[in-house]
Amino acid sequence: DAKTTQPNSMESNEEEPVHLPCNHSTISGTDYIHWYRQLPSQGPEYVIHGLTSNVNNRMASLAIAEDRKSSTLILHRATLRDAAVYYCILLIQGAQKLVFGQGTRLTINP
Amino acid sequence: DVKVTQSSRYLVKRTGEKVFLECVQDMDHENMFWYRQDPGLGLRLIYFSYDVKMKEKGDIPEGYSVSREKKERFSLILESASTNQTSMYLCASSSSGSGSYEQYFGPGTRLTVT
Repeated sequence: DAKTTQPNSMESNEEEPVHLPCNHSTISGTDYIHWYRQLPSQGPEYVIHGLTSNVNNRMASLAIAEDRKSSTLILHRATLRDAAVYYCILLIQGAQKLVFGQGTRLTINP
Repeated sequence: DVKVTQSSRYLVKRTGEKVFLECVQDMDHENMFWYRQDPGLGLRLIYFSYDVKMKEKGDIPEGYSVSREKKERFSLILESASTNQTSMYLCASSSSGSGSYEQYFGPGTRLTVT
């Protein structure tokens, strides 16, 4: 499984944008980039995924570098509820097995 | 609203007991998964299933078995619980297809084996 690298922790302030980076230099052409997050005492929840183009949904945006070796999850206006561990995961097209790394623990200050 | 439910949030069992963890999804998903989550080790895949009566080993299947008799239900079985199986257990489900599909997770069962 291709590997991703994320910072262990990040901190931001409420109502400010947050950019969570992920490096995946060994990504292959058929790997999708998935982001999940895990709020305290809950199971992980899907945030967003993409292949080559930038993606937006109601939760976040995903910016993918042109060479696909890195990506950034963007929370446009963080709230206290966004405090969670965020996981960046590569998934081969059609595959189902998620491999979770340690993720980035995001702290939001009021 | 999509839903994955797990039979218990908290469970305490004794060493040597047989333990059943149940997971039910209401989204008609083909795929179901069992993970365990431990501090410092993250989430690790135990078993998964692509269809009724089908099962595949994940990364850490030792000491566990699974059962999928109906599409919506996936059970994790600890034949003889041991203290090193104390953990948070998470069930998930997803749809199949040629694209890439998100997994929906249940709330988890925190199992303590004494």
